[in-house]
Amino acid sequence: GQQVMQIPQYQHVQEGEDFTTYCNSSTTLSNIQWYKQRPGGHPVFLIQLVKSGEVKKQKRLTFQFGEAKKNSSLHITATQTTDVGTYFCAGTGNQFYFGTGTSLTVIP
Amino acid sequence: EAGVAQSPRYKIIEKRQSVAFWCNPISGHATLYWYQQILGQGPKLLIQFQNNGVVDDSQLPKDRFSAERLKGVDSTLKIQPAKLEDSAVYLCASSATQRGTEAFFGQGTRLTVV
Repeated sequence: GQQVMQIPQYQHVQEGEDFTTYCNSSTTLSNIQWYKQRPGGHPVFLIQLVKSGEVKKQKRLTFQFGEAKKNSSLHITATQTTDVGTYFCAGTGNQFYFGTGTSLTVIP
Repeated sequence: EAGVAQSPRYKIIEKRQSVAFWCNPISGHATLYWYQQILGQGPKLLIQFQNNGVVDDSQLPKDRFSAERLKGVDSTLKIQPAKLEDSAVYLCASSATQRGTEAFFGQGTRLTVV
């Protein structure tokens, strides 16, 4: 079945440093979505990427979809304490599978 | 617009007991998902409905888990009998269509099996 892996599993950064999480799928994806889950909360949709090589930005967040539509990345510039949480990619083919997640800790 | 509603929020049961969770998706959303999220892990898809039909239940432990979506709206997920390893948060989500639209999650039900 479809597998979606993310690295790193955990990341601790000083406030103001950059952060990147990478998502890799074993199969080609129709599109990819990114979610953020705060501690004790539920996943909240951030963005969807559809096209091969697509890049989208939301303020300090930059999302990329690979040319082969099998990988993606999320980059946060100048992290803030409000960025704390676990970031999941979710690949959509015929079904909807979440990646393993990257837990971000921001040290003030 | 009301979000995805789930109940109960918390449940503690003994192993071998039964438990049921309820989900009311966002009005008009055709696709409904049940996920199991064990502490420290990503959500694992248990079952996906399109209206009242099952799209994917390949990861549902069918010997003990069952789910239904009557009339293509509300859904229930049942575990019978529960095992210790079923302790997790059970998340329900809905989306407008099967592909390519964001999923909206409920608050989840935290199940503890003792």
